[in-house]
Amino acid sequence: ETAVFQTPNYHVTQVGNEVSFNCKQTLGHDTMYWYKQDSKKLLKIMFSYNNKQLIVNETVPRRFSPQSSDKAHLNLRIKSVEPEDSAVYLCASSPTGSGNTLYFGEGSRLIVV
Amino acid sequence: GDSVTQTEGLVTLTEGLPVMLNCTYQSTYSPFLFWYVQHLNEAPKLLLKSFTDNKRPEHQGFHATLHKSSSSFHLQKSSAQLSDSALYYCALSDRDYGSSGNKLIFGIGTLLSVKP
Repeated sequence: ETAVFQTPNYHVTQVGNEVSFNCKQTLGHDTMYWYKQDSKKLLKIMFSYNNKQLIVNETVPRRFSPQSSDKAHLNLRIKSVEPEDSAVYLCASSPTGSGNTLYFGEGSRLIVV
Repeated sequence: GDSVTQTEGLVTLTEGLPVMLNCTYQSTYSPFLFWYVQHLNEAPKLLLKSFTDNKRPEHQGFHATLHKSSSSFHLQKSSAQLSDSALYYCALSDRDYGSSGNKLIFGIGTLLSVKP
């Protein structure tokens, strides 16, 4: 039963364009995340927010910027896409605190041509 | 820094045979360990999580035991089913929420393919 919703599911764009991915969770969690899953299926954390505050910011290019309007929403904007940005972007949420389960959305696949 | 190692990229098994997927980790402190499973075109979801005591977590016939002495959390099942075919990730999170924010560090994933 899906409780983390991502849009769009799929997006094809050209190098240099701007794209945005939206994520909403209905679980009442305080913490949300963006992960990148590349073509080799490697899963890496990009950002996490707790109650609209950025708490984890891994080493990602500056063209990536997360945006949170409230604790149930976390969007990801990519200002000028590059070919290496082609990947599946997975949004997740969890309760606040260590060791809590992450609940993932089904992902937004980005293809940069 | 923290890291997770899964040694096999692809494991192919015949239905009914036992499953063992390896996972070892490196961490400064005593982390939480997880197994997540991702079926084709689906979201990753939790399969198992380590307990703080010595209990062995089990779910859908899978189990894993945290061995701190060898820094391992191998995933096992006595008899593979066709529906077990999926990508399995071992992951850890730091107990210090202040520094890690509950982020998960994933291994490379092991693709399990179960054949009739």
